[in-house]
Amino acid sequence: EVQLVESGGGLVQPGRSLRLSCAASGFTFDDYAMHWVRQVPGKGLEWVSGISWNSGSTGYADSVKGRFTISRDNAKNTVDLQMNSLRAEDTALYYCARGPVVSVRPMWFDNWGQGTLVTVSS
Amino acid sequence: EIVLTQSPGTLSLSPGDTATLSCRASQSVSSRYLAWYQQKPGQAPSLLIYGASIRATGIPDRFSGSGSGTDFTLTISRLEPEDFAVYCCQQYVSSPITFGQGTRLEIK
Repeated sequence: EVQLVESGGGLVQPGRSLRLSCAASGFTFDDYAMHWVRQVPGKGLEWVSGISWNSGSTGYADSVKGRFTISRDNAKNTVDLQMNSLRAEDTALYYCARGPVVSVRPMWFDNWGQGTLVTVSS
Repeated sequence: EIVLTQSPGTLSLSPGDTATLSCRASQSVSSRYLAWYQQKPGQAPSLLIYGASIRATGIPDRFSGSGSGTDFTLTISRLEPEDFAVYCCQQYVSSPITFGQGTRLEIK
């Protein structure tokens, strides 16, 4: 069974940093691209970032480009999201999601974690 | 970026009815680059349809997707109690990936 478990969320002040992590199990991790998608509670979904199977390619939404960095460790089956210079508008539930192919090109998401909540507030 | 507009915002139906949900794109997403998800309260989205009409693994044939270009439809036949949830569409023809704002399917 595919499992994606996010961690690292919490309350953080504007301008500070936070690192999210997603632990994957139940599948061959390096056969798939991985992504982060966020959702303001009660609102729609927003793709944040994606990384290819070998970390060779990454992608970011314009809203986070230059502030967020995605990385993965295929030996540990984890994908991380380093979030710097956080803003109030980054407040959301952050989901880890699996893409169906190895590359980071736009695709659907076939498995999702339960999410970790990030709140940016003073 | 491609904007997806879903309608109606809320759909009130009874078990056994047929639900028809619409997703309209601001520009063409071809006939293949659209997905649909179901999201229940407190849960992550779950993939229903990709390639506009291909059901994901384990999805019953009561769920069907159709459309091409800019207009897409998710049809749910013979509604069951567990089908009442929020449904959203997603395009992946171009980056950035974008989602619709969702349609809430509620019990009448």
